[in-house]
Amino acid sequence: DTGVSQDPRHKITKRGQNVTFRCDPISEHNRLYWYRQTLGQGPEFLTYFQNEAQLEKSRLLSDRFSAERPKGSFSTLEIQRTEQGDSAMYLCASSLGRGRHNEQFFGPGTRLTVL
Amino acid sequence: AQSVTQLDSQVPVFEEAPVELRCNYSSSVSVYLFWYVQYPNQGLQLLLKYLSGSTLVKGINGFEAEFNKSQTSFHLRKPSVHISDTAEYFCAVSGTGNQFYFGTGTSLTVIP
Repeated sequence: DTGVSQDPRHKITKRGQNVTFRCDPISEHNRLYWYRQTLGQGPEFLTYFQNEAQLEKSRLLSDRFSAERPKGSFSTLEIQRTEQGDSAMYLCASSLGRGRHNEQFFGPGTRLTVL
Repeated sequence: AQSVTQLDSQVPVFEEAPVELRCNYSSSVSVYLFWYVQYPNQGLQLLLKYLSGSTLVKGINGFEAEFNKSQTSFHLRKPSVHISDTAEYFCAVSGTGNQFYFGTGTSLTVIP
């Protein structure tokens, strides 16, 4: 299967620690998105990349969050000095093309628990 | 600005009965609408999408949705549900910046 993959699937960390998540999109997809989903809510947009360029960031993405997509392939999302409020499911999605109408394909997510 | 409201947080329905999951949207630009399903511990899977053309859209697993511009709605329907349809359903609208805006989701529980 060549769908979107995310690693790790689960991460438990202590408050104040740094964590990094990885997303591997569908190979030919030029766009990559990060969303955050908390219990009882729908996914909320964090940021997206067109190839290696980060084109948009949500106000939810505080300065403790950073995302990269070197070489326009996989992407990493790092959270520094984690807080309990960062506990959530972090979803990655990818799409092909430039339009607003393109379907986004989602990965299984990384569930972060901050103790 | 774009937003989506899913009016029902939980919908219980008996097996083989019909179901409708409601979604209302707000958009300041041309509308692209999507329904996704999320099974436990899995990512989101596209059920169907409305881009343009016919207002009745058919998707996978027997689901369909109707785009109603005057009522700003995009309700999801299935004439006969199965146990396997138990899942979380999300309506989404495409934003100006290409991100999707999701509703809070509707938890569909099919009762045997």
